[in-house]
Parts: sequence; structure tokens; C-alpha cells
Amino acid sequence: NAGVTQTPKFQVLKTGQSMTLQCAQDMNHEYMSWYRQDPGMGLRLIHYSVGAGITDQGEVPNGYNVSRSTTEDFPLRLLSAAPSQTSVYFCASSQQGSAYNEQFFGPGTRLTVL
Amino acid sequence: AQKITQTQPGMFVQEKEAVTLDCTYDTSDPSYGLFWYKQPSSGEMIFLIYQGSYDQQNATEGRYSLNFQKARKSANLVISASQLGDSAMYFCAMGNTGGFKTIFGAGTRLFVKA
Repeated sequence: NAGVTQTPKFQVLKTGQSMTLQCAQDMNHEYMSWYRQDPGMGLRLIHYSVGAGITDQGEVPNGYNVSRSTTEDFPLRLLSAAPSQTSVYFCASSQQGSAYNEQFFGPGTRLTVL
Repeated sequence: AQKITQTQPGMFVQEKEAVTLDCTYDTSDPSYGLFWYKQPSSGEMIFLIYQGSYDQQNATEGRYSLNFQKARKSANLVISASQLGDSAMYFCAMGNTGGFKTIFGAGTRLFVKA
């Protein structure tokens, strides 16, 4: 199993550009989440999904869109990038009914918006 | 509102000694989970230990134990017999069942000295 994969690893955008951060998991997990991590801070929840077709907002959803058409994929879209969105983005998945309720994290995407 | 507080930005510990990383939380939900994650300098997020709000006994996983004091709303991580490889950032987190809505503390950076 590859676990949770994210692409790209690094990305530089100009203000106003759009892009999609990809996230995929091969563990058949129902739940998936997107977080951002700013320097010196913990992770903050952007959006999450409890299954295909079902998404909801987290703490910091403004400027981001998500959709989940399959169990495996959960892309994060930046419609018009801003310098404030410079961050490291983590995707995570977890399984309903697991003993520890832990999330499995992807390796992260480091995004810089100029 | 839910909140996680880690008051120690940085901690030093001598190799082979034990260390306690502090975490307090605030929530009005009766059911929640408490997590500790490790983030090495390479950046990935690694799950360490989980404590459910209804669990009577403190969780243990190898050299990690979680000192759960529900009345005080604290969930401190104890690492016994520290190793050089334990040098990393440690995040306390609180989430719902399934873990897909998790909030994180700001983290504690642990330095293990030889």
C-alpha cells in the first residue's frame, strides 16, 4: 500500500493563479481531511469529507474548494491564490471504527504564493 | 469552542532520561479523542498514541504513555528512556470519533542531548 499520496511536493504560484493539490489514498478509508501548517504553528483544518459526495468546512475554509467524487481522491482547489495561502498542506485519511481513530498523513505539499 | 494548549515551545532532555510534554484542552463535548503526533525535521506526521475520553486507563504504546487527567483537562505525553531519534516537534491534538475533525496545538520542539 502506498498509503496517502500528495502531488505536487512543491509548487510556486503567482497571486491570482489557480491550482489543484491532489490527494489520494489506497486504504479504502471513509474519512479524509485537508490541513495547512504555517511556520511555528500546528495544523489547521481546512475541509474534510466523511465519504464520497460529502464534504464540509473546517476552521479555515476561505479561499479553498474541495470535492470528493470517489473514496480514493480528495483534491483541494485554490481558485485565486493569495500570499496568505503560502503554507505546507497536508492531506490525511482515517477509518471509521478504527481502534485508535488516528489519521494517516500524506507527505505534504509546500506551496509558495508570490 | 474547542482548544488545545501546549505551553512549552521547546524542551531539552538528556538521552536515556524521561520527559513529559504538557497538553491541556478545552471542550464541551462528552466524547472526544486525544492524540499525540510526532513531526521529525523531514516533515511527515507520525501518529504516536491515542486516548479516548471514556477510557479508564491511561494509554501506553512502547516508550510513550499518555497521562490523562480528565478533571484537569490535561493529556500529557511521557516519553521514557529518550533516544536521539526522539528529537522532533510533538503535537497534541483533539478530535472526534474517526479523527477527521481534529484540532492541533502549536507544538513542542524536543531536543535530546547525547
